[in-house]
Amino acid sequence: KAGVTQTPRYLIKTRGQQVTLSCSPISGHRSVSWYQQTPGQGLQFLFEYFSETQRNKGNFPGRFSGRQFSNSRSEMNVSTLELGDSALYLCASSLQPSGVRQETQYFGPGTRLLVL
Amino acid sequence: SQQGEEDPQALSIQEGENATMNCSYKTSINNLQWYRQNSGRGLVHLILIRSNEREKHSGRLRVTLDTSKKSSSLLITASRAADTASYFCAPAAYSGAGSYQLTFGKGTKLSVIP
Repeated sequence: KAGVTQTPRYLIKTRGQQVTLSCSPISGHRSVSWYQQTPGQGLQFLFEYFSETQRNKGNFPGRFSGRQFSNSRSEMNVSTLELGDSALYLCASSLQPSGVRQETQYFGPGTRLLVL
Repeated sequence: SQQGEEDPQALSIQEGENATMNCSYKTSINNLQWYRQNSGRGLVHLILIRSNEREKHSGRLRVTLDTSKKSSSLLITASRAADTASYFCAPAAYSGAGSYQLTFGKGTKLSVIP
């Protein structure tokens, strides 16, 4: 089975622009979670989607949004980029929602976003 | 915050030694998971321990869980240079509406010196 794939792998944007990141989960997985990882804050949960519905949301401003399609692929969007949005964005998939029935998450390689 | 907190933040050992990392959390959990991340890459699941378990083994890994102290530890025995990575604990804490959410800390950065 192919693993979780994320595109693009690297991205450079300037302040004020918007960006869309894509995540394709493992075949058959219906849950997709997004995380932001920075040296200062560590790995922070953004949101989780299951069967096209947002199930949980972390403590991030409304500039961060996401969606999930019927084929379980997910996108996250960040509008009006700020310098502090520079980070590694990780996507993870699982069969069921994370934390339910001891589900483990399978992570993609991440998208490294640099905001100048 | 329900976030897991790992301790120490960084650990440097010689190859062949054992490495112990600790994790503390604040609320009741369904299970606790440990993940590993090689520099700047995605996380890889290592082991899951349920809240009613006290110890679990997987190869050179041993995980303990003490729910009364809200803590867990990960022991890597006979470490190898290839074990150099960051290690994260992720407690699955109750997030409302009958569901649990994994939360991650900042990790322990392990360096194994050949």
